[in-house]
Amino acid sequence: AQSVTQLGSHVSVSEGALVLLRCNYSSSVPPYLFWYVQYPNQGLQLLLKYTSAATLVKGINGFEAEFKKSETSFHLTKPSAHMSDAAEYFCAVSDQAGGFKTIFGAGTRLFVKA
Amino acid sequence: DTGVSQNPRHKITKRGQNVTFRCDPISEHNRLYWYRQTLGQGPEFLTYFQNEAQLEKSRLLSDRFSAERPKGSFSTLEIQRTEQGDSAMYLCASSPTGVNTEAFFGQGTRLTVV
Repeated sequence: AQSVTQLGSHVSVSEGALVLLRCNYSSSVPPYLFWYVQYPNQGLQLLLKYTSAATLVKGINGFEAEFKKSETSFHLTKPSAHMSDAAEYFCAVSDQAGGFKTIFGAGTRLFVKA
Repeated sequence: DTGVSQNPRHKITKRGQNVTFRCDPISEHNRLYWYRQTLGQGPEFLTYFQNEAQLEKSRLLSDRFSAERPKGSFSTLEIQRTEQGDSAMYLCASSPTGVNTEAFFGQGTRLTVV
């Protein structure tokens, strides 16, 4: 079964600092991986996805993630945090054997300090 | 707006009452998913439809929960004899058929059982 683990339930950075949110996956097949963002009382919005093309994936709002097969990781980064980045971030994997349903990690809440 | 639509956005009900939520997916999407999200957690998969066929149900989905997608378009999720533990955000998502796709999420229905 596929799964993801997000390291750190809370991350706090200063405005303008590097954002690094960690995600490790487990999959017996080449994975499809995603990062979603969720603002309070809202649904989930796709930030970016990895689908076996380029290992460095660029998404919206200046975020990017790098797929590293040897480390089974898909960490999310942004060079310079903005106050509007404060939200909950979810790493996810597509369950290809199970109707392509999305399996989510527990989430990382990002705080951005002024 | 052609996104995934969920109604109602909020529902407060007394314990023991039945509630029904509706999800209208993106019109050309064959797959429809229901998730439950509790505070501070990632979304947990509940059930999945391919057109009108319900292909998978999570063990999280007790006998009090039932979902339908009668014409392969909109879907309903009913909870009978609600319990306080059912209080959560219920998210609906849809995706097109194919392997290189992501799920598109609605805004969710927040259920509070008092």
